[in-house]
Amino acid sequence: DVKVTQSSRYLVKRTGEKVFLECVQDMDHENMFWYRQDPGLGLRLIYFSYDVKMKEKGDIPEGYSVSREKKERFSLILESASTNQTSMYLCASSSHPVGWNGYTFGSGTRLTVV
Amino acid sequence: SQELEQSPQSLIVQEGKNLTINCTSSKTLYGLYWYKQKYGEGLIFLMMLQKGGEEKSHEKITAKLDEKKQQSSLHITASQPSHAGIYLCGADITDKLIFGTGTRLQVFP
Repeated sequence: DVKVTQSSRYLVKRTGEKVFLECVQDMDHENMFWYRQDPGLGLRLIYFSYDVKMKEKGDIPEGYSVSREKKERFSLILESASTNQTSMYLCASSSHPVGWNGYTFGSGTRLTVV
Repeated sequence: SQELEQSPQSLIVQEGKNLTINCTSSKTLYGLYWYKQKYGEGLIFLMMLQKGGEEKSHEKITAKLDEKKQQSSLHITASQPSHAGIYLCGADITDKLIFGTGTRLQVFP
């Protein structure tokens, strides 16, 4: 079974902390994505990457950065966590071009910033 | 503005009833995906549609993409409590996967 693994299911951090959310896929996928999900707003794309060391801004990149040093790992970084970044974060990956099974998602990380 | 509109936002049906969820775009959809999400969990891939007029079925769930490739529907026949969750349509638009706001489905006995 193909897998996208997010390192934490639940995370509580303090305002101002630097936060790392890790995502690892074992499918040799080229594309990786980070979304956040909020009630009433759906899933919004933060950043994505088509290749190692490559990154592209999504719709809401402010306050976030990403790192992709290896093909299988895509990290989302909150430089200085704020309470409005409390959310569910979802990582996804896909082949390029996208295969018959679409995009594969991780189980999500629910981040609370206090 | 939301590029993908989903309706209804919420649906409560009695077990055994049929239901339909719609996903509409103002742009041509080159890849349309349906996902299901259990509350607080990740997304589970259901189906992908690419061709106008395409229809796919899996167990009691059928998805269709219209000929113009701007609207898709997800139909569940004889709903069961296991169908409960959030259904999301996603589409490849300008090389990114974007989503509708989702439809929350509840199925009661």
